[in-house]
Order: sequence, then structure tokens, then C-alpha cells
Amino acid sequence: GIQVEQSPPDLILQEGANSTLRCNFSDSVNNLQWFHQNPWGQLINLFYIPSGTKQNGRLSATTVATERYSLLYISSSQTTDSGVYFCAVDPGSGATNKLIFGTGTLLAVQP
Amino acid sequence: DTAVSQTPKYLVTQMGNDKSIKCEQNLGHDTMYWYKQDSKKFLKIMFSYNNKELIINETVPNRFSPKSPDKAHLNLHINSLELGDSAVYFCASSQDLAVGRETQYFGPGTRLLVL
Repeated sequence: GIQVEQSPPDLILQEGANSTLRCNFSDSVNNLQWFHQNPWGQLINLFYIPSGTKQNGRLSATTVATERYSLLYISSSQTTDSGVYFCAVDPGSGATNKLIFGTGTLLAVQP
Repeated sequence: DTAVSQTPKYLVTQMGNDKSIKCEQNLGHDTMYWYKQDSKKFLKIMFSYNNKELIINETVPNRFSPKSPDKAHLNLHINSLELGDSAVYFCASSQDLAVGRETQYFGPGTRLLVL
């Protein structure tokens, strides 16, 4: 099955710093989403981005489908950005929309 | 106003018991899902329903039985609970399965602890 790898596994930032999270996947995908799981466990949908670039405030994401990776950029990080960031893909082997999750990047933003 | 809601939020129970988790979405979506997050934060899909029809049934013990009484609800019933069932269970929904309408939105999770 498809492999989804995220890097780095852990990241510690000072407030105000920028960061880039990476998601590599081993096969073509129909759907790619980025999620933020906050310290209370809530999974928040950040981007639906199977290809191209999107921006939402301090966050932006780029997926290069032909090279099988996606990047999530966080600028001017805040303590509320702390949590785990997941990339999830749908291999698209059929009309199932089955999201396969990566192992996540644990981000801690320090004041 | 909650888009995808789950009840209960927390569930503590004894081994061998039977329990249910309920999920409701008010987004008008056709497709609903159940995911399990283990103690290492790994998330894995269990089931999905589209228009009340079972679409995905991953390798899940048959002690787990989903039920979709209508498009807005997908409940999860678990028989004979085991220690290894302790996890966070997330419900999600998407508009449908078509490209461009498959963004999944997650509920707050149900934290199940089996003693």
C-alpha cells in the first residue's frame, strides 16, 4: 500500500519563527489534506490540496503531485500553532476516499 | 452549530462490555467515516458509508459494527470490549466521494478507555 512519510517528526520553535513541514507519498493520490491536531485532540482541517498552492493567513501549502510531496509552511508561528500536524492522502484506487495518514509532525512553539 | 458531533466525549468501561458511540453531522454530507487513533497518535480508517451504503470496511474485528440509520448519522457499536480497543475514535464526513467534494471534516473524538 501507499506509504506516507512526514518530516521532521518533532520540531521546537520560538514564537515568531517560520517553519516548513514535509509530506512524501509513494504513489499518485486523488486527495491530500493537511490537519492540525491541537493539544485538546481536535483534528482541524487546514487544507485540501491534491495539487497546487493555497494560502490561509499565516499558513500555506504546496503539493507537487508529479514529484509526490507536499509542504506546509507556517510563518510567524504562535504558541497556538502547537500540536501535531498530519498529512493524509487518498491513493485513489477506487471511489472510496480512504484517507491514509502520515505519522505526523509534533510542533511545539515556545513563547 | 457543531458540524460533526460525537457522543459521548469520554467512555470508560470494563472489559467484555458492549458500548456504542454516536456520530451526527449537520453539513448535509452524503459520506461518513470512522477512524481510530491509537496511543501513538496513529490514525487509521475503519469504515465509511456513502448514502447509508457501506463503502469501506478495513480489517476490523467483527466485534465492531457500524450502523447508518440515515445520511446524517453513523454510529459505531462495539461488542465484548477488549483492552486493545482503548483509543480515540473519530467520526468524519465529506460532501460525497467525487473529486473536489471529498474534503473530510472531523468530529471532536470519543476517548474510550477499557479497564
